[in-house]
Amino acid sequence: GENVEQHPSTLSVQEGDSAVIKCTYSDSASNYFPWYKQELGKRPQLIIDIRSNVGEKKDQRIAVTLNKTAKHFSLHITETQPEDSAVYFCAASWREYGNKLVFGAGTILRVKS
Amino acid sequence: EAQVTQNPRYLITVTGKKLTVTCSQNMNHEYMSWYRQDPGLGLRQIYYSMNVEVTDKGDVPEGYKVSRKEKRNFPLILESPSPNQTSLYFCASSSPLAGSSYEQYFGPGTRLTVT
Repeated sequence: GENVEQHPSTLSVQEGDSAVIKCTYSDSASNYFPWYKQELGKRPQLIIDIRSNVGEKKDQRIAVTLNKTAKHFSLHITETQPEDSAVYFCAASWREYGNKLVFGAGTILRVKS
Repeated sequence: EAQVTQNPRYLITVTGKKLTVTCSQNMNHEYMSWYRQDPGLGLRQIYYSMNVEVTDKGDVPEGYKVSRKEKRNFPLILESPSPNQTSLYFCASSSPLAGSSYEQYFGPGTRLTVT
């Protein structure tokens, strides 16, 4: 089955700096890669996703890149703000199996002001 | 308002006492899933359902049961809870149909403590 590894487990950045979180996956059949943000005491919420026919996707300060050959994908947050502090999860899925997601272990991002 | 609801939100129980956590969604989603969240382990799928009367095991199904008798509801049953099932549980729903969003919508979570 699919296995997703996520690094780093914790990340501290200064406000205004960039943050990068990296994930690798094992199943070459995976074709959908979402990123979820979970604030303290809240439910995970989708912030950005990418499908396997796309190499990069950007939404304001957030971008995701995908390298299918190397089986890794990354989340990039630019101009970090204190409200970006949260736990971020990457996930991988083979869409045809009904959105069965396998999640990484999560990254705690702290943005220091 | 489109949402996924779970009840109860918090539960403290004792070993062996059967319990059910309910999950309901109002988005007419075909796909529903249960996850448990533990520190350092992320979200691990317990069971999922692709439609009414269709359920399958996820990555950590031992000690859990589910049922999907109606499209909107997907209860999680712990027949004989044990302390290692102390965790934060999330229900989620999505639609796997072509043209729909891939997003999984999560419920607010249920914090379960088994003593």
